[in-house]
Amino acid sequence: EAGVTQSPTHLIKTRGQQATLRCSPISGHTSVYWYQQALGLGLQFLLWYDEGEERNRGNFPPRFSGRQFPNYSSELNVNALELEDSALYLCASSDAGRRFAEAFFGQGTRLTVV
Amino acid sequence: EDKVVQSPLSLVVHEGDTVTLNCSYEVTNFRSLLWYKQEKKAPTFLFMLTSSGIEKKSGRLSSILDKKELFSILNITATQTGDSAVYLCAAGRDGNTGKLIFGQGTTLQVKP
Repeated sequence: EAGVTQSPTHLIKTRGQQATLRCSPISGHTSVYWYQQALGLGLQFLLWYDEGEERNRGNFPPRFSGRQFPNYSSELNVNALELEDSALYLCASSDAGRRFAEAFFGQGTRLTVV
Repeated sequence: EDKVVQSPLSLVVHEGDTVTLNCSYEVTNFRSLLWYKQEKKAPTFLFMLTSSGIEKKSGRLSSILDKKELFSILNITATQTGDSAVYLCAAGRDGNTGKLIFGQGTTLQVKP
């Protein structure tokens, strides 16, 4: 069974540009979570999507947005990139029946803003 | 504000040693405590604890939760170089938030 897959693995953008990160959950999982892991910091919750709807978001500016598609894959968009957006962005998924149980993480997208 | 604090932040041991990693939490409507191992990028799930005093074991790893004192420990016995990683603990809240609150992690280095 394939795990959570994220693309691209690495992304380099210039300040002010937009970045789009993609995530495919484990087959059968309907919930997708996005986390930001900046250097030296713990994982910070960004967004939760379930059944195509945004269910919750963390303390991030509106420049961070996303969506979930009918096949439960998800996209994270970061607009007007700033240098401090450089981080590892991790996506995780869980199934509806175990929403509060363990979430399985992808390998992440390393975003570098120059 | 909800917070999860891990200690120590880093640890260096030799193969064969036993280590104990600590995680304390102050989380409103606490529901569960999860441990992950992060080697390169993807955190991999280790344990989820919801009940106080019940130890969970997987091979050389074990973990227990104390909901009265608001902490959890992760024990690794007979450490191996392959145990070198960042260990993350995270707290889940009751209610439909979908959010895990992570600690800053403990970096464990196991030397041969």
